[in-house]
Amino acid sequence: DGGITQSPKYLFRKEGQNVTLSCEQNLNHDAMYWYRQDPGQGLRLIYYSQIVNDFQKGDIAEGYSVSREKKESFPLTVTSAQKNPTAFYLCASSIRLAVSEGYNEQFFGPGTRLTVL
Amino acid sequence: QKEVEQNSGPLSVPEGAIASLNCTYSDRVSQSFFWYRQYSGKSPELIMSIYSNGDKEDGRFTAQLNKASQYVSLLIRDSQPSDSATYLCAVRTSGGYNKLIFGAGTRLAVHP
Repeated sequence: DGGITQSPKYLFRKEGQNVTLSCEQNLNHDAMYWYRQDPGQGLRLIYYSQIVNDFQKGDIAEGYSVSREKKESFPLTVTSAQKNPTAFYLCASSIRLAVSEGYNEQFFGPGTRLTVL
Repeated sequence: QKEVEQNSGPLSVPEGAIASLNCTYSDRVSQSFFWYRQYSGKSPELIMSIYSNGDKEDGRFTAQLNKASQYVSLLIRDSQPSDSATYLCAVRTSGGYNKLIFGAGTRLAVHP
């Protein structure tokens, strides 16, 4: 089955801790994305990546870090510098990053719900 | 600031009726538009994509795009209780890469 997996499903963080959220895809997609969703708000882009060892900041990157060591994997670290990390975190992927003909749709993983204790 | 606006709802429709969900966007050069369905506690699921003016139909779903009015809508025919969810409108912005701007979503409730 092709798809995107995220783990864990639920994560609890204490103040001052860094935590890492996993995202893996076997769709052979080049581009991967991390979004954050807060109640009553649209999804906001944290980071995105087009190829291995390359990634760019999105609209709300402060307090987050990512790596892209493998095409299939794009883990997100929520650092202690992120002051309000409680949210639903969604990983997505698409065939490519560049806009081109066609829709180049983004598909989402099941998400990780992070709560700060 | 590029924005995507949706009525938060809830939009309540009886089973079997047509549900009409609307979305407006501010970036006039936006090219592609997407509708995602999100059940409570779950991740968004892509249900429709459209990039040409006019209508695009897929089963019970019809997406309508009017670029001159900067307006995109989703019609759900023969609404079922299982359609009850939040529907997110997403717009691919200008700028050279596949960046989506999401609306906050419209909550749809289909009652028997």
